[in-house]
Amino acid sequence: KQEVTQIPAALSVPEGENLVLNCSFTDSAIYNLQWFRQDPGKGLTSLLLIQSSQREQTSGRLNASLDKSSGRSTLYIAASQPGDSATYLCAVENTGNQFYFGTGTSLTVIP
Amino acid sequence: NAGVTQTPKFRILKIGQSMTLQCTQDMNHNYMYWYRQDPGMGLKLIYYSVGAGITDKGEVPNGYNVSRSTTEDFPLRLELAAPSQTSVYFCASSYHGGSELFFGSGTQLSVL
Repeated sequence: KQEVTQIPAALSVPEGENLVLNCSFTDSAIYNLQWFRQDPGKGLTSLLLIQSSQREQTSGRLNASLDKSSGRSTLYIAASQPGDSATYLCAVENTGNQFYFGTGTSLTVIP
Repeated sequence: NAGVTQTPKFRILKIGQSMTLQCTQDMNHNYMYWYRQDPGMGLKLIYYSVGAGITDKGEVPNGYNVSRSTTEDFPLRLELAAPSQTSVYFCASSYHGGSELFFGSGTQLSVL
């Protein structure tokens, strides 16, 4: 069974700092990996989708990498802003079309 | 374009009552999913569907039922509600396997 782990569980940084969130998974037989953002009391919003054949994806200040062989992904956020404060979750889609989620990293960006 | 719409947003049930959580999407997505999210835990898959007339169990299907009679709708039925079903429920959809997953805003359910 696929297990997805996110470290750290919580992170607090001053505004303007660059930061990295980590995601690891146990089974490398995946279709893709997605990073989501969740604001309190809200649903999940997709940030980046990396197909299993890709190494990275970029959107604005966000860059996600994927190393399928080692079961790792990172989400890099450049020049963090208070509006980036949220919980970030990663999820892997296995070859059976099921998604497995990590428990998330709660990010606080201090003005 | 509304995306994925869930109703209701909040609900309180008594033990033993039944209810249906509604989910509809207007993106012509083939795949639809129901998840529950408990505090400190990741999302757990309850049921999913890869097309109208096709449903399959996820990790935690006990106490729930689903149907998929149309592409747009994927209701989740709770029979004989129990306190263990207190959770936030999310519906999600994607066009096909390997594509981006879109979520509804969730239903917060309390069973007392």
